[in-house]
Amino acid sequence: LAKTTQPISMDSYEGQEVNITCSHNNIATNDYITWYQQFPSQGPRFIIQGYKTKVTNEVASLFIPADRKSSTLSLPRVSLSDTAVYYCLRTLTGGGNKLTFGTGTQLKVEL
Amino acid sequence: EPEVTQTPSHQVTQMGQEVILRCVPISNHLYFYWYRQILGQKVEFLVSFYNNEISEKSEIFDDQFSVERPDGSNFTLKIRSTKLEDSAMYFCASSGPRSPSGVPQETQYFGPGTRLLVL
Repeated sequence: LAKTTQPISMDSYEGQEVNITCSHNNIATNDYITWYQQFPSQGPRFIIQGYKTKVTNEVASLFIPADRKSSTLSLPRVSLSDTAVYYCLRTLTGGGNKLTFGTGTQLKVEL
Repeated sequence: EPEVTQTPSHQVTQMGQEVILRCVPISNHLYFYWYRQILGQKVEFLVSFYNNEISEKSEIFDDQFSVERPDGSNFTLKIRSTKLEDSAMYFCASSGPRSPSGVPQETQYFGPGTRLLVL
């Protein structure tokens, strides 16, 4: 799967909403957009997945416009513990498909 | 919540030695993976495994690497003759067919990793 493009880093303060945008101009019909989070020295952890429009769970929201060429991960009211690297991936449904990680976005949350 | 476990958490070895990294995937999962992450770099796919055979492997996964599911619970990665450039964090992951409600079936769950240092 071709790469996605996202900012290398972002800074925020506790209590703010953080929006991380990902560009995927060549997204294919079968591709979903999936976001993972990685803390230092830990394995990546699934956050959210979507195909189109808006998806929300207890952790985040994901907005994908109709053309699907970009997506935005929204983290409401971040805290210090949200400091991590966030990866935007194009994924396929069904089991056994490899994940292709980019460099991700390093989010730093300060007091 | 069930989780993937890995042992050891850290391993130091001499160049040319064999190492075996161990993983216990989530019990009802059917797909298993190894990834690695060199310090400061991207997470890279190594290999996927399903139904007791390799489904896909990357260019990194050369003849020095092998995987095995020796019993119903463990999944291992063996590096036959380690090189300095094999130093990295190695992550095991597993997926499917069932995930918690609201989580896609194909979601991969990663273990905490094994930090391998080759001297």
